[in-house]
Amino acid sequence: KAGVTQTPRYLIKTRGQQVTLSCSPISGHRSVSWYQQTPGQGLQFLFEYFSETQRNKGNFPGRFSGRQFSNSRSEMNVSTLELGDSALYLCASSISGTGDDGYTFGSGTRLTVV
Amino acid sequence: AQSVTQLGSHVSVSEGALVLLRCNYSSSVPPYLFWYVQYPNQGLQLLLKYTSAATLVKGINGFEAEFKKSETSFHLTKPSAHMSDAAEYFCAGFVSGGYNKLIFGAGTRLAVHP
Repeated sequence: KAGVTQTPRYLIKTRGQQVTLSCSPISGHRSVSWYQQTPGQGLQFLFEYFSETQRNKGNFPGRFSGRQFSNSRSEMNVSTLELGDSALYLCASSISGTGDDGYTFGSGTRLTVV
Repeated sequence: AQSVTQLGSHVSVSEGALVLLRCNYSSSVPPYLFWYVQYPNQGLQLLLKYTSAATLVKGINGFEAEFKKSETSFHLTKPSAHMSDAAEYFCAGFVSGGYNKLIFGAGTRLAVHP
């Protein structure tokens, strides 16, 4: 059974650019969540999608957005990149996103903004 | 406020010694609790989860955790540490009530020395 696939693994972008990250969940999982991990702030929730709808959003500026497709694959986009956006972005896949079935994480995308 | 607190950002043990990583959660966090492990440049791997079944939860790699409601704790233990256990460990709680997200502790870095 394939795990959660995140692409690309590494990205280097220049301040002011935009970036799109991709996440393919486990087959049959309809919930996809995104988290940002930084040394200073730890792991923080960005947003969650279920059946192509954003159900929840964390406390991040509007530059962070996402979407989910009919096959449950998800993308997140960050526009007008800032140095502080450098982080490991993790995607988590869940059957229902209700907590009881757990979350499986991908290996992450390491974004560096220069 | 909803929170998960890990006591001790760094823990060092000898190979073969008991591993004890501490986690406390706020009473507002529903009883869906998780422990994840993260190796360098990797995503999060689920060690074990508590979802209101048995209070003693057994996970992978010989780890287990006990849910103690009276102490609002969910400490992770392993009887005998192995060099390969060196990693960062995160305790997480699931927040429902429309949020449907994980909140994480700050993490505990486990070092295992010969």
